[in-house]
Amino acid sequence: DAGVIQSPRHEVTEMGQEVTLRCKPISGHNSLFWYRQTMMRGLELLIYFNNNVPIDDSGMPEDRFSAKMPNASFSTLKIQPSEPRDSAVYFCASSIALRSNQPQHFGDGTRLSIL
Amino acid sequence: DQQVKQNSPSLSVQEGRISILNCDYTNSMFDYFLWYKKYPAEGPTFLISISSIKDKNEDGRFTVFLNKSAKHLSLHIVPSQPGDSAVYFCAALNSGNTPLVFGKGTRLSVIA
Repeated sequence: DAGVIQSPRHEVTEMGQEVTLRCKPISGHNSLFWYRQTMMRGLELLIYFNNNVPIDDSGMPEDRFSAKMPNASFSTLKIQPSEPRDSAVYFCASSIALRSNQPQHFGDGTRLSIL
Repeated sequence: DQQVKQNSPSLSVQEGRISILNCDYTNSMFDYFLWYKKYPAEGPTFLISISSIKDKNEDGRFTVFLNKSAKHLSLHIVPSQPGDSAVYFCAALNSGNTPLVFGKGTRLSVIA
């Protein structure tokens, strides 16, 4: 079974550039989550979707961050313009249902470095 | 305000001994708790969970204990193995309301 697939695995870009992170959730999962992991703050929930609809984006740090889920099998997280403090590992996760005890399944993350 | 706290950033244990990872939470509405394990360059993977109606759940070498009155849970690994070396995240949710809230993680090193 294919798990959550994230691309790219690594991204290095210069400050000011647009960055797009991609995620393909597990087929049949209705909820999708974007997280950011840093040493200081641990795993932070940025935004989550249910049935392709954004439910809560209060974790998105600034307006430079945006996320979309145009269909059940694809989501993007975009940072424009990027800044060095955005450097982190970004994880996408999916689960069967939003308010379910079924665990979330994580992708292997995108390590983002903004120079 | 951190709702899920893992106060020990790291822990070292000898192979064969017991590893005890601790987690505290502040939100009394949390009713389900999970532990995730994370290896370098991989995403977190689900390890074990417990509902608030229980105080213990066991799966092989892994046992999670829940003390609701103290708002505390712990993960016991016995015997510890070098392959258990990873970062362990505690997570909690209110199944009627909020998605998972994660702690900052504890890095476990099991020394052979």
